[in-house]
Amino acid sequence: ELKVEQNPLFLSMQEGKNYTIYCNYSTTSDRLYWYRQDPGKSLESLFVLLSNGAVKQEGRLMASLDTKARLSTLHITAAVHDLSATYFCAGISGGSNYKLTFGKGTLLTVNP
Amino acid sequence: GAGVSQTPSNKVTEKGKYVELRCDPISGHTALYWYRQSLGQGPEFLIYFQGTGAADDSGLPNDRFFAVRPEGSVSTLKIQRTERGDSAVYLCASSLTPGGPMNTEAFFGQGTRLTVV
Repeated sequence: ELKVEQNPLFLSMQEGKNYTIYCNYSTTSDRLYWYRQDPGKSLESLFVLLSNGAVKQEGRLMASLDTKARLSTLHITAAVHDLSATYFCAGISGGSNYKLTFGKGTLLTVNP
Repeated sequence: GAGVSQTPSNKVTEKGKYVELRCDPISGHTALYWYRQSLGQGPEFLIYFQGTGAADDSGLPNDRFFAVRPEGSVSTLKIQRTERGDSAVYLCASSLTPGGPMNTEAFFGQGTRLTVV
């Protein structure tokens, strides 16, 4: 059974700083997803990482995947207040091609 | 609308009552998923439909929970004899097909916040 762990669960950072959120998973995952969730809103897909060594960037966010270490990272560069949200990583269970297993999420607060 | 629509957005019910939660997927999406998100947790898988049939209901916590999708579009999640522990946000998502390497991204609705008092 796939298990996904994120850390930290809470992250308070100042604008302009850099930080990384880590996502470890327990067994083989065909794909790794990163989602953003604002309070009371739906989950917004940020990145889909399909293979070992995959790196994707969008604005101040960059996600990477190391399948050998079973680790994905979400790096935040020069944070701005608008990035404040909860970020989830999720893997696809090896035995299915649809069932997402989510981490607990990282609540990111960017302070001016 | 263009996105996944869920109604109601909020539902407060008394313990022991029956509730129905509705999901309108994106038009043309054959795959539909229900997830449950408890406070401070990530979403947990409940059930997956491909077309009209429930292809995987392994995440339903017990037989008080049931979901249907009779015409392969709108889905209803039904909860009988609600308990306080059922309080959570119920999320629906849809995708063109089940997940595959060509990125069949799941699009999530805003959820129904269920509170059982």
